[in-house]
Amino acid sequence: KNQVEQSPQSLIILEGKNCTLQCNYTVSPFSNLRWYKQDTGRGPVSLTIMTFSENTKSNGRYTATLDADTKQSSLHITASQLSDSASYICVVLTQAGTALIFGKGTTLSVSS
Amino acid sequence: NAGVTQTPKFQVLKTGQSMTLQCAQDMNHEYMSWYRQDPGMGLRLIHYSVGAGITDQGEVPNGYNVSRSTTEDFPLRLLSAAPSQTSVYFCASSQTGTGGYEQYFGPGTRLTVT
Repeated sequence: KNQVEQSPQSLIILEGKNCTLQCNYTVSPFSNLRWYKQDTGRGPVSLTIMTFSENTKSNGRYTATLDADTKQSSLHITASQLSDSASYICVVLTQAGTALIFGKGTTLSVSS
Repeated sequence: NAGVTQTPKFQVLKTGQSMTLQCAQDMNHEYMSWYRQDPGMGLRLIHYSVGAGITDQGEVPNGYNVSRSTTEDFPLRLLSAAPSQTSVYFCASSQTGTGGYEQYFGPGTRLTVT
């Protein structure tokens, strides 16, 4: 069964610190892996999209990595800001392009 | 560009009532979709459309109808609301449904069925 598992479920860090969110997936074969940021009460916004041949992709202070062999991805946030407080969702698109499989998300809280 | 817009933002229905959630996009995207988001679960696909006049079912289609008469609009109809349909509904669009095209999400509609 195609699944996307994220850890941790929630995370609290101090402003300025770095953090890493994890994503494991069983979708095979897959087309691409995406990370979204969802602020409370709003729709998800895309951060990165990676194909299976890409190992890393950055978007400002956000860096996503992908290991297609172990079916793992991570999202690293550098020098966190209060505005980074949100839910971060890992999503995998099946190779057939027929479905986006969503993880449940990691809720990040950045405190001052 | 307004992107993807959804109305209403909030709605309360009684069991058995029907209603239509509106979704529109101004990016000339072919692919549009509806998701529901429930606490502790990932977004789940309800229905999707790959172009005007073409719709198909997603993972959780029961109790919902869609139509796509224009490229811009993709309304979601609840035929007879049930408490199990209490959720936050997101509409999304992208250039196509496959490949590396980014999906753009609307702001969501929070629906409560009593």
